[in-house]
Amino acid sequence: GAVVSQHPSRVICKSGTSVKIECRSLDFQATTMFWYRQFPKQSLMLMATSNEGSKATYEQGVEKDKFLINHASLTLSTLTVTSAHPEDSSFYICSARGPLASTGELFFGEGSRLTVL
Amino acid sequence: GIQVEQSPPDLILQEGANSTLRCNFSDSVNNLQWFHQNPWGQLINLFYIPSGTKQNGRLSATTVATERYSLLYISSSQTTDSGVYFCAGGGSQGNLIFGKGTKLSVKP
Repeated sequence: GAVVSQHPSRVICKSGTSVKIECRSLDFQATTMFWYRQFPKQSLMLMATSNEGSKATYEQGVEKDKFLINHASLTLSTLTVTSAHPEDSSFYICSARGPLASTGELFFGEGSRLTVL
Repeated sequence: GIQVEQSPPDLILQEGANSTLRCNFSDSVNNLQWFHQNPWGQLINLFYIPSGTKQNGRLSATTVATERYSLLYISSSQTTDSGVYFCAGGGSQGNLIFGKGTKLSVKP
C-alpha cells in the first residue's frame, strides 16, 4: 500500500510553454501532498505544500504564479510550470503522507524530469 | 528551520565492505526517514525510523532521538548499493527536510 505515482516521468518542452505534472495517491487518500525540486547533484528542496480543497502554501523564493498547484481531490495534486524557461529544468518529486494517521512517514512518487529547451 | 547534516559526503567502498552513514539534526524531529536514490532519480524508501533500531536484510538503521542523530549501516556492500543516500527529518508542516546526501560508490 501507500503508492504515489507521478506522470509524466520525463517531459521536454520549448521555452515559453506550460507543463503539467500529476501526482496521484493510488491506494489511499491524501489531504496533504508535498512538492519538491531537485537540481542536478543537489538535494531535494521543498517547493510547496498542497492541501486538498484550499490554496497551496509556497516556500520562500518559490513563485506561486509560475508554479501553479491544484489539489482538487483527495488522490490528485497537479503542478503546472507556466511559461517554462531553461532554468526551470529540474527533477520534480511529489510526496504524500501514508494512510496510517499515527505515523508521519512520507511516500514519494517516481519523479518527473523536466527539460526546457 | 531544522538543519540536516550528513556525513561523509562521498564514500568509495570495495564490494563486500561495511559502511556507516551518519545524519545529524540541529533540533528534535518527530519523523525521520532514510532513502536511496537510484541512478534514475527514484527515491527508494529504506527506513522510517524516528527512534530505535530497524533492520532489513543487509541494511539497518539506528536513531538516537535524544542526541539528534541517526546512523545507516550497510553490510557486505554490493555494486547495486551505489547511489546517493539521503536522510530527512520532519519539518513543522509534516514535510521532510533533506540532508545533502552521501554519494556511495561500490567498486567490484
